[in-house]
Amino acid sequence: AQSVSQHNHHVILSEAASLELGCNYSYGGTVNLFWYVQYPGQHLQLLLKYFSGDPLVKGIKGFEAEFIKSKFSFNLRKPSVQWSDTAEYFCAVNALDGGFKTIFGAGTRLFVKA
Amino acid sequence: EAQVTQNPRYLITVTGKKLTVTCSQNMNHEYMSWYRQDPGLGLRQIYYSMNVEVTDKGDVPEGYKVSRKEKRNFPLILESPSPNQTSLYFCASSQTLAGPSYNEQFFGPGTRLTVL
Repeated sequence: AQSVSQHNHHVILSEAASLELGCNYSYGGTVNLFWYVQYPGQHLQLLLKYFSGDPLVKGIKGFEAEFIKSKFSFNLRKPSVQWSDTAEYFCAVNALDGGFKTIFGAGTRLFVKA
Repeated sequence: EAQVTQNPRYLITVTGKKLTVTCSQNMNHEYMSWYRQDPGLGLRQIYYSMNVEVTDKGDVPEGYKVSRKEKRNFPLILESPSPNQTSLYFCASSQTLAGPSYNEQFFGPGTRLTVL
């Protein structure tokens, strides 16, 4: 069965620190990959997505992610976090030849200290 | 304004009392989906619909029903709610979910359901 694993459930950083959130998925076929963010009290919104081409994708608010097919990974990065990045981050996978299910990871809660 | 709306936003009910959570989108999207969000488990897909009259089970469909009679609406029905269905529910829609024309999923604001 398809699954998505996010390595860190809680991350605490100081402003200006660099961020990397891990995401690994288990599926051998073609996938679409996403990172969504949920700010406190708000609904999920898309940070970035990958479905083909350049494996390094850039999203909103200075976030980027790299798809490494050989490692089944899609890690999220940001060089310098801000207090306003405090949120919960979800990695998600859609397996294109596995129907149209979308599998989400358990989420990573990021807290950025001012 | 393009959006996904859900009603109600908050609901407290008792075991066995049938309820419906409505979901509506104004973007003419083909794909709609329901998720539940539980601490430590992330979002789990309940049901999804590729278009009118086309629905399929997600990972956790037990205890839920859906229907898609109109493109814009995708209600979630709990025929006999139980306490283990206490959760935060999100509806989402997307123009399509496959191939190079893929678009992101747009999420509603969520419905917090408590079943006593």
